[in-house]
Amino acid sequence: KAGVTQTPRYLIKTRGQQVTLSCSPISGHRSVSWYQQTPGQGLQFLFEYFSETQRNKGNFPGRFSGRQFSNSRSEMNVSTLELGDSALYLCASSFRTGISGANVLTFGAGSRLTVL
Amino acid sequence: AQTVTQSQPEMSVQEAETVTLSCTYDTSESDYYLFWYKQPPSRQMILVIRQEAYKQQNATENRFSVNFQKAAKSFSLKISDSQLGDAAMYFCAYRSAGGTSYGKLTFGQGTILTVHP
Repeated sequence: KAGVTQTPRYLIKTRGQQVTLSCSPISGHRSVSWYQQTPGQGLQFLFEYFSETQRNKGNFPGRFSGRQFSNSRSEMNVSTLELGDSALYLCASSFRTGISGANVLTFGAGSRLTVL
Repeated sequence: AQTVTQSQPEMSVQEAETVTLSCTYDTSESDYYLFWYKQPPSRQMILVIRQEAYKQQNATENRFSVNFQKAAKSFSLKISDSQLGDAAMYFCAYRSAGGTSYGKLTFGQGTILTVHP
């Protein structure tokens, strides 16, 4: 069973550019969440998508956006890149079951973004 | 808002020995889930163990067990018979049981575990 796939794994951008990262969840998983990991701020929740709708959003500026497609694949976009956006961006998927489920998140290997 | 605190930035253990990683959290909620994730140098986050707050029994997964103290808001991870492959950054994480929080984990700052042969 394939895991969560994130592309690209590494990328370098310059300030002011924009970037799009892709995440393919585990087959059957309909929820995709995104996290930013930096040495200073640690792991921070960006947003979650389920059934093509954003269900929850973290405390990030509007430059960070995302979407989910009908096949549950998700993309996140960062516009007008800043140096501080350099980070490892992690995607996680889950079934998003009902009340009794623990809804364990399965993470991808991440996309390492460097902004110069 | 919930917070998760891991007070040990680094820990070390000898191979085959036991080590305990600490985690405390702050919440006003009564129903929630707690997790320990492991992040090796490959950067892939791997679930180690999870605990439902409504369960009094501590979770166990092979060499990994937790000590869940709900009243004290403490959730420590014990690794028995440590192996070289256990070396990684360990994150404690909290998730609300509410319907809008399925994908939102609040993480601690992490503990780097070194295993000496």
